[in-house]
Amino acid sequence: SQTIHQWPATLVQPVGSPLSLECTVEGTSNPNLYWYRQAAGRGLQLLFYSVGIGQISSEVPQNLSASRPQDRQFILSSKKLLLSDSGFYLCAWRGGLGYYEQYFGPGTRLTVT
Amino acid sequence: AQSVTQPDIHITVSEGASLELRCNYSYGATPYLFWYVQSPGQGLQLLLKYFSGDTLVQGIKGFEAEFKRSQSSFNLRKPSVHWSDAAEYFCAVGGGYGGSQGNLIFGKGTKLSVKP
Repeated sequence: SQTIHQWPATLVQPVGSPLSLECTVEGTSNPNLYWYRQAAGRGLQLLFYSVGIGQISSEVPQNLSASRPQDRQFILSSKKLLLSDSGFYLCAWRGGLGYYEQYFGPGTRLTVT
Repeated sequence: AQSVTQPDIHITVSEGASLELRCNYSYGATPYLFWYVQSPGQGLQLLLKYFSGDTLVQGIKGFEAEFKRSQSSFNLRKPSVHWSDAAEYFCAVGGGYGGSQGNLIFGKGTKLSVKP
């Protein structure tokens, strides 16, 4: 069966520090991968999605970037965190042709101080 | 524009009572519809999905949803709520596979509280 991992689970970082969140998927190949941010009362905001290694699409301009160095690895990064980057970050994957639902990881709670 | 509306931000029901969470969507193509549940501090779990066929779909944890094309709705129901159902529920719509077409559009969620 497929599983999705995210780490760290929680993170407290000062303003201006770098960020690296990692997401890995097991049990599937060539998944579509997604990064979402969830702020209190604002639902889910799609940040990035990837249909393959090295292929990243950004949904909103922001202080963050994403990379997909391996088929089942998706990384969310920032060079300098802002207070507004605080939130709950969720990674999700979707299977191949014919599969439309997304499956979510456990999330990372980021607090920028 | 493509959108999902969940009109109720917060609903409180008594344990054992029935539940209906509303979801309306606006989508230019044939929609694929989903309901997810999120417990505090957790990721989202897929409850059920509708792609085609029977408009009444069954999901996990005793939930069901009915697709009504004429009303652009996909409401979630449960006949008898349990205290463990307290969580936030998200409705989502997507349109297919391939690039951004595979992306889901989420509603802002409905928080469910359950009274003992």
